[in-house]
Amino acid sequence: NAGVTQTPKFQVLKTGQSMTLQCAQDMNHEYMSWYRQDPGMGLRLIHYSVGAGITDQGEVPNGYNVSRSTTEDFPLRLLSAAPSQTSVYFCASSYGRYGGELFFGEGSRLTVL
Amino acid sequence: TQLLEQSPQFLSIQEGENLTVYCNSSSVFSSLQWYRQEPGEGPVLLVTVVTGGEVKKLKRLTFQFGDARKDSSLHITAAQPGDTGLYLCAGGTALIFGKGTTLSVSS
Repeated sequence: NAGVTQTPKFQVLKTGQSMTLQCAQDMNHEYMSWYRQDPGMGLRLIHYSVGAGITDQGEVPNGYNVSRSTTEDFPLRLLSAAPSQTSVYFCASSYGRYGGELFFGEGSRLTVL
Repeated sequence: TQLLEQSPQFLSIQEGENLTVYCNSSSVFSSLQWYRQEPGEGPVLLVTVVTGGEVKKLKRLTFQFGDARKDSSLHITAAQPGDTGLYLCAGGTALIFGKGTTLSVSS
């Protein structure tokens, strides 16, 4: 099983550019989420979705957009990249939102110059 | 807002030593999870604790959930270099994470 697949693994952007981080899971999970991980800050929740067509904001949603048109895919869009968005981004999925095991992708390292 | 505080932030020990990592909050959690993350990879679930006072063992790792369900601990017996990594606790309906404990075990 592929599990949770994130692309790209590495990306360098210039300030003001836009891009989309892709996330796909093949486990038929209803719950998907995006986190960012910065040194000494742990994982911070950006956005999450409890099913197709339903999304909600996490702790740090500003500057990011998401959509969930299918159960499998949950892309994260940066509309106008800023240096503060330099981070490692992780997509995760779970059978359900409450207490279920989160399965993570391998991460996408984004650098904004 | 629910917060999870982990301590210590960094831990560097010799092979064979014992250690304990703590995860504390002022909020009550219905369950807490512990994850381990290795460099360049995503976190992987180690255990979920659900009942106050619950103790779970995973080989040399012992996890405990506080009676009031506000805190949890991870105890490693006779640490090995393979235990090196970032240990994260997580909980809450929005699955928030603590800032993590970076463990380094040298031989």
